[in-house]
Amino acid sequence: NAGVTQTPKFQVLKTGQSMTLQCAQDMNHNSMYWYRQDPGMGLRLIYYSASEGTTDKGEVPNGYNVSRLNKREFSLRLESAAPSQTSVYFCASRPGQFNEKLFFGSGTQLSVL
Amino acid sequence: AQSVSQHNHHVILSEAASLELGCNYSYGGTVNLFWYVQYPGQHLQLLLKYFSGDPLVKGIKGFEAEFIKSKFSFNLRKPSVQWSDTAEYFCAVNARGNEKLTFGTGTRLTIIP
Repeated sequence: NAGVTQTPKFQVLKTGQSMTLQCAQDMNHNSMYWYRQDPGMGLRLIYYSASEGTTDKGEVPNGYNVSRLNKREFSLRLESAAPSQTSVYFCASRPGQFNEKLFFGSGTQLSVL
Repeated sequence: AQSVSQHNHHVILSEAASLELGCNYSYGGTVNLFWYVQYPGQHLQLLLKYFSGDPLVKGIKGFEAEFIKSKFSFNLRKPSVQWSDTAEYFCAVNARGNEKLTFGTGTRLTIIP
């Protein structure tokens, strides 16, 4: 049982390049999330998906797009990367009951030069 | 919109001292509340959660938190800290019935042996 799998673990981009962060969970969870973690700013929600086929903006959605391809997968796309998007990105999931804990992926460390 | 405030950014304590970390949220309706911990180099782990019932919630590793609705607070406590409690602590909230989970900025706790 792999849990939440994120790829890649590390990535360096140049300003203006695009990339997609992949996330998959094998726990049959309904809800999936993308957060970014920056020093002193905690975890900030980028986008979330309460169920397959739905996505909603979080606190900091600008510059990102997401796709809930199916129940397992939730990808995050940076269309034109900017240095301000340098961060550690975490994917997470939970069953969908509002009081259940999150299961986190191992994170993607992204640097935009 | 819901939000979470953690006013203590960095707390330094000696071993065996008592701990209280503040968490305040803003949301007019019913909420579910969580405390997560992130040890150096590790994922976030759930310490405890509140969704209904007894406002004093006990979690893992001797931590507890008290929900005070009138103060919109959910402070984390531990009577006697250990060096191994050195970590970053995050409070989180979601509105009842909503999958959007918002984290605070975190409190870095350093325990001096």
